[in-house]
Amino acid sequence: GDSVTQMEGPVTLSEEAFLTINCTYTATGYPSLFWYVQYPGEGLQLLLKATKADDKGSNKGFEATYRKETTSFHLEKGSVQVSDSAVYFCALFNAGGTSYGKLTFGQGTILTVHP
Amino acid sequence: NAGVTQTPKFQVLKTGQSMTLQCAQDMNHEYMSWYRQDPGMGLRLIHYSVGAGITDQGEVPNGYNVSRSTTEDFPLRLLSAAPSQTSVYFCASMRLSSSYEQYFGPGTRLTVT
Repeated sequence: GDSVTQMEGPVTLSEEAFLTINCTYTATGYPSLFWYVQYPGEGLQLLLKATKADDKGSNKGFEATYRKETTSFHLEKGSVQVSDSAVYFCALFNAGGTSYGKLTFGQGTILTVHP
Repeated sequence: NAGVTQTPKFQVLKTGQSMTLQCAQDMNHEYMSWYRQDPGMGLRLIHYSVGAGITDQGEVPNGYNVSRSTTEDFPLRLLSAAPSQTSVYFCASMRLSSSYEQYFGPGTRLTVT
């Protein structure tokens, strides 16, 4: 079945540092890929998405490129802020999956940014 | 728009009790779903619905029932709560014609003792 693997956390950075959170996936066909962010005490918010190979999703300074050859969708930001502290989830949607609309999530990566 | 709303925010149950988690959306989305979030496991799909009157099981449906009588509401019922159902529950919705973007509610934290 489909699966998503994220880098182990937690990740702790100083403000203005460069961020990379690795995400790799296993899926048949051509899934859509997403990054969701969960701020403390809140639900998940869609951060960015990519629907086909070589697409780059971007939002709020975050970027991720859909790499089919390496089955990866790594999240990057050039300069993190304290307000970026949250849990980040990589997820995929496979239209050919057994449960329509099902998002397959990674385990989440906790990011803490210090001033 | 309120988006996706969930009630209650917190709930404590004793083993064997029943309860219903409420979920509503005001975006006229056809698709709604329930996930549970457990530490280190991401989110897992419990049940989903592609429209009023239509529901189906996800990957972890045991112990949960759903119904969809209206487009707006998608309640999740625990018939006989067990400690293994201690989790955070999220409801999500999506327009079927979208690029699979799902909108999540704020969650319900359930503890079963």
